[in-house]
Amino acid sequence: RKEVEQDPGPFNVPEGATVAFNCTYSNSASQSFFWYRQDCRKEPKLLMSVYSSGNEDGRFTAQLNRASQYISLLIRDSKLSDSATYLCVVPHMDTGRRALTFGSGTRLQVQP
Amino acid sequence: DAGVIQSPRHEVTEMGQEVTLRCKPISGHNSLFWYRQTMMRGLELLIYFNNNVPIDDSGMPEDRFSAKMPNASFSTLKIQPSEPRDSAVYFCASTSDTEAFFGQGTRLTVV
Repeated sequence: RKEVEQDPGPFNVPEGATVAFNCTYSNSASQSFFWYRQDCRKEPKLLMSVYSSGNEDGRFTAQLNRASQYISLLIRDSKLSDSATYLCVVPHMDTGRRALTFGSGTRLQVQP
Repeated sequence: DAGVIQSPRHEVTEMGQEVTLRCKPISGHNSLFWYRQTMMRGLELLIYFNNNVPIDDSGMPEDRFSAKMPNASFSTLKIQPSEPRDSAVYFCASTSDTEAFFGQGTRLTVV
């Protein structure tokens, strides 16, 4: 099993729709999680952090389910500008140091 | 701070040539990561440093790849000799306790 798994998509949704992505992780010791957003031909940028059960920021909600080892990202009232690839990131302790493992990303295309 | 700075932004080279990618992390960040991104394999961790010391290089594809961090403000990733399958975008990232900041990447094409 991969350390971090995501559905690659693409998710094609109309403007205004609500869309959710899931990400599963294998390291049960992981305590914090991140969602990054990557636009085409650009670098990934932090979207949200998830440290406990969840986090909400405007139209974006991230939730964590430790029992099932997955995190989700919910986008409400989606905008054309939300079109991007969303990367799930799980830090893990490696010989006492933190390393970041990225999922392969889920591509979202919001259509007018 | 100008953020993580990578150079060059684009590199086109012939197979067999040596390629050196450069990264200047954000001042004060202790960890630096090199990633490679392709359509087929996504974002792969190649190597990361903590306080200039290489911690995990298990992601480095083979001996043709090497990375150094001679000081806290500079790192290089070298490919020698380069091959067409090395074509990818190479990202450098440095981290604070809570966030990883990426450079704009180097788009490498080996022909």
